[in-house]
Amino acid sequence: DQQVKQNSPSLSVQEGRISILNCDYTNSMFDYFLWYKKYPAEGPTFLISISSIKDKNEDGRFTVFLNKSAKHLSLHIVPSQPGDSAVYFCAASGRAGTALIFGKGTTLSVSS
Amino acid sequence: DAGVIQSPRHEVTEMGQEVTLRCKPISGHNSLFWYRQTMMRGLELLIYFNNNVPIDDSGMPEDRFSAKMPNASFSTLKIQPSEPRDSAVYFCASSFIATEFLTQHFGDGTRLSIL
Repeated sequence: DQQVKQNSPSLSVQEGRISILNCDYTNSMFDYFLWYKKYPAEGPTFLISISSIKDKNEDGRFTVFLNKSAKHLSLHIVPSQPGDSAVYFCAASGRAGTALIFGKGTTLSVSS
Repeated sequence: DAGVIQSPRHEVTEMGQEVTLRCKPISGHNSLFWYRQTMMRGLELLIYFNNNVPIDDSGMPEDRFSAKMPNASFSTLKIQPSEPRDSAVYFCASSFIATEFLTQHFGDGTRLSIL
């Protein structure tokens, strides 16, 4: 049973518009949430994270929102750029030193 | 700074053969993780080490899989004997355990094909 779910396998957005990637989780013990970006033939790279004590974290064009009551988080990319085209993974963990549980990823395509 | 280094990048072998994947974590990191990525299951954890000690190997699919970390700068994942269903991309990642947000740094993976 998947503890972290990304229900949209793909998303297409035009350059300059907002991209919203969604993630749901089932385990209320998760304390940390992260987003990773992956290009073909490369490993995932860390993008942005959020602790469960916060509901928003922003880093440049990237903002992650956390809704603990709904067990839902989302990644907003504004404005979207063609270089943002990649697979985005949502991940969660319970405490420091434990492993990350990943969703299956969402492929974002940004067209110019 | 050197990132996580995995070797080989690609491996093609016949079923029944032994396969050894190698990983060099980032210097100073004290946690190491092995993941497997497949279309069906996505990115799944196989095993992880803290301070060279295996902590959780519940993701290792079968006894055919084994992993070692003899020192802080090297780890291996071995499959013996290999089967076609083991074909996947295998990633190694490392992190510093005290990092608040558990950021893991991934290698570029080993693409394994078992014929």
